Amino acid sequence: DTEVTQTPKHLVMGMTNKKSLKCEQHMGHRAMYWYKQKAKKPPELMFVYSYEKLSINESVPSRFSPECPNSSLLNLHLHALQPEDSALYLCASSLYRDSNQPQHFGDGTRLSIL
Amino acid sequence: QQPVQSPQAVILREGEDAVINCSSSKALYSVHWYRQKHGEAPVFLMILLKGGEQKGHEKISASFNEKKQQSSLYLTASQLSYSGTYFCGTELSGYSTLTFGKGTMLLVSP
Repeated sequence: DTEVTQTPKHLVMGMTNKKSLKCEQHMGHRAMYWYKQKAKKPPELMFVYSYEKLSINESVPSRFSPECPNSSLLNLHLHALQPEDSALYLCASSLYRDSNQPQHFGDGTRLSIL
Repeated sequence: QQPVQSPQAVILREGEDAVINCSSSKALYSVHWYRQKHGEAPVFLMILLKGGEQKGHEKISASFNEKKQQSSLYLTASQLSYSGTYFCGTELSGYSTLTFGKGTMLLVSP
């Protein structure tokens, strides 16, 4: 079991649907991350939040909308996704957004777009 | 800039040693190592910072050669539990983002 909890574990949605991914951590970490991982590829950074403020957006399409309601919670809102968006979405957290800090990953949400 | 990992895959028998390399064409500030088993989350192994010492404990250790901009992960007397894909992640400055290499798949057989 990881200390970063992601729900749901699996999600199948149509291209016109709206859904949200949720990530929660109770380690007091102030930096949280969303990554996208395709099969047999490394994780690719999407967004970084530091102290609940969006710090980095790696040119992610607007159909992905992140939200950080509080220091423990990170959401990723999905709308009008494309089949190529099917992937494993990983959430991670670290104490601070700093090189000294390891990132702790959740088990991910496996997303399939029909 | 994505770091380059080598080899792409390694097959070992239990008890054998392995070395995984991670290199960059740009000056690195830090190197992070993670292991990911199939269907699971990446798990943090260690961080090496510029100017820092070799790190590790017991049978897994790593080094960072600043002159070569290369880090190596050493797996000694491998165990079945070491199987998985190893990713190095590199940062170019103290506040930049982590970029992962393509990964090295390690399979340890009995």
